[in-house]
Amino acid sequence: GESVGLHLPTLSVQEGDNSIINCAYSNSASDYFIWYKQESGKGPQFIIDIRSNMDKRQGQRVTVLLNKTVKHLSLQIAATQPGDSAVYFCAERAGNTGKLIFGQGTTLQVKP
Amino acid sequence: SAVISQKPSRDICQRGTSLTIQCQVDSQVTMMFWYRQQPGQSLTLIATANQGSEATYESGFVIDKFPISRPNLTFSTLTVSNMSPEDSSIYLCSVDRAYNEQFFGPGTRLTVL
Repeated sequence: GESVGLHLPTLSVQEGDNSIINCAYSNSASDYFIWYKQESGKGPQFIIDIRSNMDKRQGQRVTVLLNKTVKHLSLQIAATQPGDSAVYFCAERAGNTGKLIFGQGTTLQVKP
Repeated sequence: SAVISQKPSRDICQRGTSLTIQCQVDSQVTMMFWYRQQPGQSLTLIATANQGSEATYESGFVIDKFPISRPNLTFSTLTVSNMSPEDSSIYLCSVDRAYNEQFFGPGTRLTVL
């Protein structure tokens, strides 16, 4: 069946360093991908998205890379700050149903 | 983005009872969804709330346990029926505007004793 998974359950980085969170997906028909940030006690917050016709998309301090050949997605956070500490989820969508399939999540811990 | 509110934000319920969760959006949206997030887990889609018709449920979820209403384009409810401790989770609604970004509400934290 379809699945989206993450390579590392917990990532610990020093404040100011760059963070890279990885995600693997298995459905080659997925054409839209989203990264979410979830802080404790809150709902997932949209960070950045990318469509399958792109390889890279940049936002403010964040970059998403998509490698369709190996079905891999990554989120890069530049100059990681304590406020970036949260759980990060990747999600994929195939077709126009709107339904998202979520990965397992990576906890990002930022050390001061 | 969309402003999404949920009520209640949290509740503690007794086994065997039911709880209805409300989701309100600040503008009309085409698609609304309900997700469950069990403690320490990722999000799992329960159903798509369709305006004017019956909800579409994912495998493992049934209407008798999770009845859903969608009376208009800005509002939906999810009921968790005949609750057991295994239903203790965060329940989240989300909206998707015309195949664009999908935004989530703050969630309802349910504890069943």
